[in-house]
Amino acid sequence: NAGVTQTPKFQVLKTGQSMTLQCAQDMNHNSMYWYRQDPGMGLRLIYYSASEGTTDKGEVPNGYNVSRLNKREFSLRLESAAPSQTSVYFCASSENRHTEAFFGQGTRLTVV
Amino acid sequence: GENVEQHPSTLSVQEGDSAVIKCTYSDSASNYFPWYKQELGKGPQLIIDIRSNVGEKKDQRIAVTLNKTAKHFSLHITETQPEDSAVYFCAASTKNSSYKLIFGSGTRLLVRP
Repeated sequence: NAGVTQTPKFQVLKTGQSMTLQCAQDMNHNSMYWYRQDPGMGLRLIYYSASEGTTDKGEVPNGYNVSRLNKREFSLRLESAAPSQTSVYFCASSENRHTEAFFGQGTRLTVV
Repeated sequence: GENVEQHPSTLSVQEGDSAVIKCTYSDSASNYFPWYKQELGKGPQLIIDIRSNVGEKKDQRIAVTLNKTAKHFSLHITETQPEDSAVYFCAASTKNSSYKLIFGSGTRLLVRP
């Protein structure tokens, strides 16, 4: 009964390094999302995928890329990490629009 | 695009008292309003949601009210318990923005025993 699984849980990067955050859901959901959470700013949408094969920008897409590899997996890539990308990243999925979104446990990323 | 404002940012209540968190939204076409609870070290979890065709919804000690004219919605928790202590987020979405969920900035609720 895994739900939404994110890896890794913690990561420290040096400025300019790249990395990919992985997300997988086992609920056969159509929609998947990547959010970042910063103190006092709530959850801000980075990218989302309404269905397999489609991706769209959210509120704060700059510096990120995504891939909806298949229905289960939605990855977030930082090509050249910057200190401003230090944050907690959450992946989420939902069956369709306007239905409950289920969140992963989060990835705490620090860029030094 | 949609903008959601949430108040207060922190709220401290005595166990057994009620807690109210308020949110306003900017896009009059928004039609789905969920509330999420986030405990320390975990991802947010849905606790209640309301759609624009309903003015109020209740689930045991939790209720949400929606005023479409004023573009605001509120979360009400009655008979608060220490385990209600968490961060609460409101959100809104609309067809105009491809149903993206836009979140408020969060309210840290502390229930004092």
